[in-house]
Amino acid sequence: TQLLEQSPQFLSIQEGENLTVYCNSSSVFSSLQWYRQEPGEGPVLLVTVVTGGEVKKLKRLTFQFGDARKDSSLHITAAQPGDTGLYLCAGGWSGNTPLVFGKGTRLSVIA
Amino acid sequence: EPEVTQTPSHQVTQMGQEVILRCVPISNHLYFYWYRQILGQKVEFLVSFYNNEISEKSEIFDDQFSVERPDGSNFTLKIRSTKLEDSAMYFCASKRGTSGYNEQFFGPGTRLTVL
Repeated sequence: TQLLEQSPQFLSIQEGENLTVYCNSSSVFSSLQWYRQEPGEGPVLLVTVVTGGEVKKLKRLTFQFGDARKDSSLHITAAQPGDTGLYLCAGGWSGNTPLVFGKGTRLSVIA
Repeated sequence: EPEVTQTPSHQVTQMGQEVILRCVPISNHLYFYWYRQILGQKVEFLVSFYNNEISEKSEIFDDQFSVERPDGSNFTLKIRSTKLEDSAMYFCASKRGTSGYNEQFFGPGTRLTVL
């Protein structure tokens, strides 16, 4: 059973375009993390969202947590080639419970 | 900025051999995890560790696997008798404390290749 579904699976866009990727679940999470992973490296934490409806901005990246804390989106404005990578969402519950990861969205930004 | 470190970066072993993967979590963190990622697949939880004992483990973490915190800084994952299907990237992660949200920081990973 796929707890976290990410879409699209692959996305290829031109530099300067905007994009949104999605992370959806039927489960309610206490928090949701977005990570970025380069080939052969570990996931790097970008942001944590914890409150339903919360919006966080990280430069050109805008993260939103759904009101019901079941889904999230990542919007990138004016994408750059340096944004290329695998974007992973991971849901967690309170305490030290393990994270549940989605399969990721592989983004390619072409100059 | 403190970070999780892992050694070795790449380990090649023969099927049936034992391997030990090493991790140094962030120094003031209390919760430690091992995850793995088979090539092209999603990151999967193996085991969590707190207060010198296993907190939770997945069904992947069978009797061939063990974890240890031998001193105040290292956290190790041992695979006793490796199988071909153990080939994967293994990630260590750590978390500071029992905050309301589950912010885990990952190391760069060890690529394990079982021949």
